[in-house]
Amino acid sequence: GAVVSQHPSWVICKSGTSVKIECRSLDFQATTMFWYRQFPKQSLMLMATSNEGSKATYEQGVEKDKFLINHASLTLSTLTVTSAHPEDSSFYICSASESVYQETQYFGPGTRLLVL
Amino acid sequence: SQKIEQNSEALNIQEGKTATLTCNYTNYSPAYLQWYRQDPGRGPVFLLLIRENEKEKRKERLKVTFDTTLKQSLFHITASQPADSATYLCALDYISGGYNKLIFGAGTRLAVHP
Repeated sequence: GAVVSQHPSWVICKSGTSVKIECRSLDFQATTMFWYRQFPKQSLMLMATSNEGSKATYEQGVEKDKFLINHASLTLSTLTVTSAHPEDSSFYICSASESVYQETQYFGPGTRLLVL
Repeated sequence: SQKIEQNSEALNIQEGKTATLTCNYTNYSPAYLQWYRQDPGRGPVFLLLIRENEKEKRKERLKVTFDTTLKQSLFHITASQPADSATYLCALDYISGGYNKLIFGAGTRLAVHP
């Protein structure tokens, strides 16, 4: 149980275009979802947290107009990287938990984004 | 702010030996601490959670200790196997904006050689 999927697993796009990444909880309802970014050999950095049906809360330094998050249902959250630039190239990972108080997060397999 | 230090050098050990990985933090003691495994190009997989009032936790060949005085957790894999080769991440909880969030260390890469 507690499976989280992400789509696509990798994506290459041109600079200036927008890319949407989906995160789905397959066998549980995810009240809270988290989006992380990980650069090579670095730790996961939390970008934003969202509850279903409400606006995402962004971490300091993360541009909310550039990284649009929509937690439309209890099983789906999307991250859209708008006007992507090469420096946005990274590994994006989502996680989900069943409540705001749940201690364990279930992670997706990640999405590799390369912006040319 | 909380800082987490994990040995950035890769840990190379022989199959069958015990691997010991270290996680040190510098600020407040978290309510709990977690260990995750991450394989290249994959998301983290939860392994163990230990609370601040627990000294030790075990799961099969895994053992975690938590010393809030030293601000340190040790992660042990006994009878290590080549399949245990991966990066192991330490994560601490914190409360922010009403959410339980996690802050991660950079991880330690473990290589188990046959």
